[in-house]
Amino acid sequence: SQTIHQWPATLVQPVGSPLSLECTVEGTSNPNLYWYRQAAGRGLQLLFYSVGIGQISSEVPQNLSASRPQDRQFILSSKKLLLSDSGFYLCAYDRGREQYFGPGTRLTVT
Amino acid sequence: ILNVEQSPQSLHVQEGDSTNFTCSFPSSNFYALHWYRWETAKSPEALFVMTLNGDEKKKGRISATLNTKEGYSYLYIKGSQPEDSATYLCASTSYGQNFVFGPGTRLSVLP
Repeated sequence: SQTIHQWPATLVQPVGSPLSLECTVEGTSNPNLYWYRQAAGRGLQLLFYSVGIGQISSEVPQNLSASRPQDRQFILSSKKLLLSDSGFYLCAYDRGREQYFGPGTRLTVT
Repeated sequence: ILNVEQSPQSLHVQEGDSTNFTCSFPSSNFYALHWYRWETAKSPEALFVMTLNGDEKKKGRISATLNTKEGYSYLYIKGSQPEDSATYLCASTSYGQNFVFGPGTRLSVLP
């Protein structure tokens, strides 16, 4: 069966510090992978998606970047965090018509 | 870019009450409509995926309907229980496009 992992679960970082969030998927090969963010009081916003190693598409301009160094690994990064980067970050993968989500990372930028 | 709306934004009901909420989405180029249940500190859990106009899906006390011509879906909960408290998300997909999520409806069921 497929499982999806994210870490860390929670993170508090000062403004201007770097960020690295990791997502890994088990039990499937060549999945489509997604990073979403939910800011306070808002819906899920798609940030990046990837259809394969090294292939990243960005949905909205922002202070973040993503990389996919391995088939089942998806990383969300920032060189310098902004206050507005605070939120709940979810990684997801496709299976058929469905998307399945990881447990999420709560990021607070102070 | 699709715009998916949900109403109400939040809802408080008493245990045992039945309730429903709405998801509206652009009907052009429609592919599928998804409902998720999202509890705090957990990942969203898929409830239903619907593709055909007039589709009705049911899982226990929760059911959903779909109208692709007018671009809306209803989620119904019969006899709400405190464990139904969660945020209910809908998402629409169009051909060749990624999921677009609505802002969610936050349901609180009071014992």
